[in-house]
Amino acid sequence: QQQVKQSPQSLIVQKGGISIINCAYENTAFDYFPWYQQFPGKGPALLIAIRPDVSEKKEGRFTISFNKSAKQFSLHIMDSQPGDSATYFCAASIRPGRGSTLGRLYFGRGTQLTVWP
Amino acid sequence: NAGVTQTPKFRILKIGQSMTLQCTQDMNHNYMYWYRQDPGMGLKLIYYSVGAGITDKGEVPNGYNVSRSTTEDFPLRLELAAPSQTSVYFCASSTGTGETGELFFGEGSRLTVL
Repeated sequence: QQQVKQSPQSLIVQKGGISIINCAYENTAFDYFPWYQQFPGKGPALLIAIRPDVSEKKEGRFTISFNKSAKQFSLHIMDSQPGDSATYFCAASIRPGRGSTLGRLYFGRGTQLTVWP
Repeated sequence: NAGVTQTPKFRILKIGQSMTLQCTQDMNHNYMYWYRQDPGMGLKLIYYSVGAGITDKGEVPNGYNVSRSTTEDFPLRLELAAPSQTSVYFCASSTGTGETGELFFGEGSRLTVL
């Protein structure tokens, strides 16, 4: 059973356009939602993360939108660039806190983003 | 800064052979993980460890074994390789606590079982 459902599987966007990747979850115990970015031949790396007490988090051209009632969250990449071409994974877990153990990260299946120049 | 180092980067095995994927980290992280990545399937947790001497199963542990004798090293053992174990394997580490719980991944080990 896939704990986190991610769509689309692949996405092609023109340079300067907006890339949008969507994720949904069922487990209401999840309270930490990171996005990881993976370039070919490399391991994933943390891009941006959000907690459910805010509806949006922005870091540069990357924004996470979070809808707690719908149990959905999405990644928006503004002004997409060819260098953004990569595979993006959403994930969910119980957020670690001071002195507590890290919850397991459940990953979506990934979205392969291609940005045409 | 080396971070998380995996060896080998590529390996071809015959069915029934055994091998160990090595993973070492120099960030003094207590938590270490092994994931496998298959096309279109995301990352599946195989085993993880919360500290030296402590390991636990993840989502897909069958056919694998791990050990954690030191903080730095977390090898993954395949005892009887099967074609279903053809995959890219990623080792990761984290502090396990704190606000972000960020996972730091190695560059992966691509294994083919023929």
